[in-house]
Amino acid sequence: GAVVSQHPSWVICKSGTSVKIECRSLDFQATTMFWYRQFPKQSLMLMATSNEGSKATYEQGVEKDKFLINHASLTLSTLTVTSAHPEDSSFYICSAYLALETQYFGPGTRLLVL
Amino acid sequence: QQQVKQSPQSLIVQKGGISIINCAYENTAFDYFPWYQQFPGKGPALLIAIRPDVSEKKEGRFTISFNKSAKQFSLHIMDSQPGDSATYFCAASMNSNYQLIWGAGTKLIIKP
Repeated sequence: GAVVSQHPSWVICKSGTSVKIECRSLDFQATTMFWYRQFPKQSLMLMATSNEGSKATYEQGVEKDKFLINHASLTLSTLTVTSAHPEDSSFYICSAYLALETQYFGPGTRLLVL
Repeated sequence: QQQVKQSPQSLIVQKGGISIINCAYENTAFDYFPWYQQFPGKGPALLIAIRPDVSEKKEGRFTISFNKSAKQFSLHIMDSQPGDSATYFCAASMNSNYQLIWGAGTKLIIKP
């Protein structure tokens, strides 16, 4: 099946620093990738839709200057949390869309901001 | 109209029993209904999916039942095993649009 990886799997950082999370589709090309945030015991909340070679589309309420998304190739999208604060601590999950099929999800990245 | 309502919020089933999770939707434009399984600290994994042209789809112990007129679909897990203990999410999308509308999730616990 289609495999999506994320790196790192967990990260701890100090408040005010920036953190980059990578999402890769390992065995297929994904023109579209998605970034989600998940709080404990809650469903996935879509943050943004990322299309290769173009600007990401952010959901209402998501600060695009804080959550920078780059989709430079058909297999790689990155999410950078800029000037992270404790309230940004969460589980971040990416997915890659395989055309005419569905989204395949990465294993997630646990971010803890101290 | 974009919502997908999922129930129950949590479910405890004895080993060997049948686990049933239900979802309901309003938007008749939805044409793809997947179920995802998520273990703690992991991303969701596609379990099984159905399109509205069939009323049932079975893969191993997992079955989706789909009722188009009632705008409901459900996941049945037969012979439930402790390894099935996870959170299950239903979702829906429309016109093969990749964007998924998610249910709230069901935490399933299978008691040995």
